[in-house]
Amino acid sequence: DAGVTQSPTHLIKTRGQQVTLRCSPKSGHDTVSWYQQALGQGPQFIFQYYEEEERQRGNFPDRFSGHQFPNYSSELNVNALLLGDSALYLCASSMGQGGQPQHFGDGTRLSIL
Amino acid sequence: DAKTTQPNSMESNEEEPVHLPCNHSTISGTDYIHWYRQLPSQGPEYVIHGLTSNVNNRMASLAIAEDRKSSTLILHRATLRDAAVYYCILRPSEFSGGYNKLIFGAGTRLAVHP
Repeated sequence: DAGVTQSPTHLIKTRGQQVTLRCSPKSGHDTVSWYQQALGQGPQFIFQYYEEEERQRGNFPDRFSGHQFPNYSSELNVNALLLGDSALYLCASSMGQGGQPQHFGDGTRLSIL
Repeated sequence: DAKTTQPNSMESNEEEPVHLPCNHSTISGTDYIHWYRQLPSQGPEYVIHGLTSNVNNRMASLAIAEDRKSSTLILHRATLRDAAVYYCILRPSEFSGGYNKLIFGAGTRLAVHP
């Protein structure tokens, strides 16, 4: 039973570019959340998708956007990259909207030069 | 969002019990107490959660104070694989707003010595 898978594992971009990160949820899960984790800090909630809609959003600018597909997989898009966007981006999946535990992938390490 | 306070770091010896404390004096009556841990180079992993009563599972035990203003995650016999950052998180019930997101603090970095 595959867990949460994220791609790519590492990515290097330059300032001003755009990036798309991908996530496949654990089998049976329909809800996907995205988190940003800066070095030495805990993950920060970006947003959550359920039924292909953004249901909740953290304190992140509109440069951060996402999408959920009918098969429940999800993408995180970041436009106009800044140096401060360098971080580990984590995807988590869960079942429904009832506050079930979230299962995390191992993340995409994004470096901005 | 209610806050939690944890020690920055703790140390333990292998095969000894570990008690990881968490203070949450502003917890509301409907907040669940969740614990996650993050091993090196991995995403966070769910450990355990509870509301009022103590909870046990195959990974750990959760002891919740009677006034719910603090809790303790107990690893009964630490192994080297338990070396990780442990996060204590308050999660509102599904009948409150904001229950779908996890608010992580800095956590407690646990070192386990052979």
